[in-house]
Amino acid sequence: EPEVTQTPSHQVTQMGQEVILRCVPISNHLYFYWYRQILGQKVEFLVSFYNNEISEKSEIFDDQFSVERPDGSNFTLKIRSTKLEDSAMYFCASRPQGARNQPQHFGDGTRLSIL
Amino acid sequence: AQSVAQPEDQVNVAEGNPLTVKCTYSVSGNPYLFWYVQYPNRGLQFLLKYITGDNLVKGSYGFEAEFNKSQTSFHLKKPSALVSDSALYFCAVPVSGGYNKLIFGAGTRLAVHP
Repeated sequence: EPEVTQTPSHQVTQMGQEVILRCVPISNHLYFYWYRQILGQKVEFLVSFYNNEISEKSEIFDDQFSVERPDGSNFTLKIRSTKLEDSAMYFCASRPQGARNQPQHFGDGTRLSIL
Repeated sequence: AQSVAQPEDQVNVAEGNPLTVKCTYSVSGNPYLFWYVQYPNRGLQFLLKYITGDNLVKGSYGFEAEFNKSQTSFHLKKPSALVSDSALYFCAVPVSGGYNKLIFGAGTRLAVHP
C-alpha cells in the first residue's frame, strides 16, 4: 500500500537556525497537510495545501513557517528561525481528491528537537 | 466550532476482555468521524470512519465503532483485546468547508495487560 514518507526521522537544530522538513505524499493525492504534536499533547493542524497554494493555516503557522511543493513530488515545511517551543513531532498527511469523508494518510513524522 | 472530546486519558484492559475507547463530538449537520491509532514512534494510522448508514462501523485489526446520534458519541470497541493493541487512539473530525483539516481529540492511551 502506498505510504507517505517523511525525512529526516529526527532533526536536532540550534535555536535560531532554519530547518526544512521533507515529505513525499502519496502520488495521486491532491491535498497536503502539516500537523504537529508537542510531546504529551494533542495533534494540531498547521497548514493545508492544494493546487500549489496554501488553502488554510492555523494561528500557529506564523511568518516563520512556509510550505512548498518544489517539484511535484516533495512537500516541505520550512521554519526560518527556530524557537525552543517549535520542538515537536511534525506529521505530513495527504488525501485524494473527493469528499471530506476520504481519510488523510499520515507519515511517521519528524521529531524536531531545538536546543 | 466543531470538536471532539476523549474523556479518558488512559484505558486499562486485560488481554481477551472487550475494550471501549470513548469519543463524543460536537458537529453541526451530519458528522463524519474518524478513528486513528498511533503506535510508538509512528504516524497516525487510519482505523475506520463513519459517514452515514449503519451505526456500527467495522474497521482494521478487528476494531469497530458505534455511532450514537442522540448521545453524540462515536466509541471505539473491540470484542477481545490483544497486548499488541496497546497504543494511543485519536478520534477526529474533518472540518466541513475549506480543505477538511482534521480536528483531533486529546487522545486515549490504551494499555492491554497480559
